[in-house]
Amino acid sequence: EVQLVQSGAEVKKPGESLKISCKGSGYSFTSYWIGWVRQMPGKGLEWMGIIYPGDSDTRYSPSFQGQVTISADKSISTAYLQWSSLKASDTAMYYCARLKPDGDDAFDIWGQGTMVTVSS
Amino acid sequence: DIQMTQSPSSLSASVGDRVTITCRASQGISNSLAWYQQKPGKAPKLLLYAASRLESGVPSRFSGSGSGTDYTLTISSLQPEDFATYYCQQYYSTSWTFGQGTKVEIK
Repeated sequence: EVQLVQSGAEVKKPGESLKISCKGSGYSFTSYWIGWVRQMPGKGLEWMGIIYPGDSDTRYSPSFQGQVTISADKSISTAYLQWSSLKASDTAMYYCARLKPDGDDAFDIWGQGTMVTVSS
Repeated sequence: DIQMTQSPSSLSASVGDRVTITCRASQGISNSLAWYQQKPGKAPKLLLYAASRLESGVPSRFSGSGSGTDYTLTISSLQPEDFATYYCQQYYSTSWTFGQGTKVEIK
């Protein structure tokens, strides 16, 4: 079964760092782009960026460039999203998702989401 | 960024109704459009891509159409499991954007 499994919910304080993960299985992890999508409480979806685990080529949404870092470790089929200094406004659900392979940049497989809560 | 505007923001419908949701882009996107369904507490699910291509496993009551800047998602006969929020997403530009969502509620 093709799936993406994300790390568990996190509760952090402002200023702390955080790295959440997304592990792929059931397919060739290095051959598909993986993206990250933010959903703030009660709000819509926002694309953050994507990475190609095969060579770590990474693209960011202008809205998130410099705010987060996307990385991947292909040896363990895992992508990451990290913050160096969290803010309360980073409180959201974060989804990883796989990009379709055939030139249509739609997300066909989604992780279950990781809830990040930043509060003092 | 290309702005994506969905209408309506919400609608109430009955089981069996035909439902249409519209997504308008701020510039032409050449059918580079996907539709997703999201139920409360769940991850989004891909329904259609390339504006009108049905994702594998998605019921045929879902269909998509459009061109240029204007696109529609149609549910031909609304089923109980279709009550959810629907999002469009453009992938024409290098900075992908989603619509704000349309919540489909039970009348």
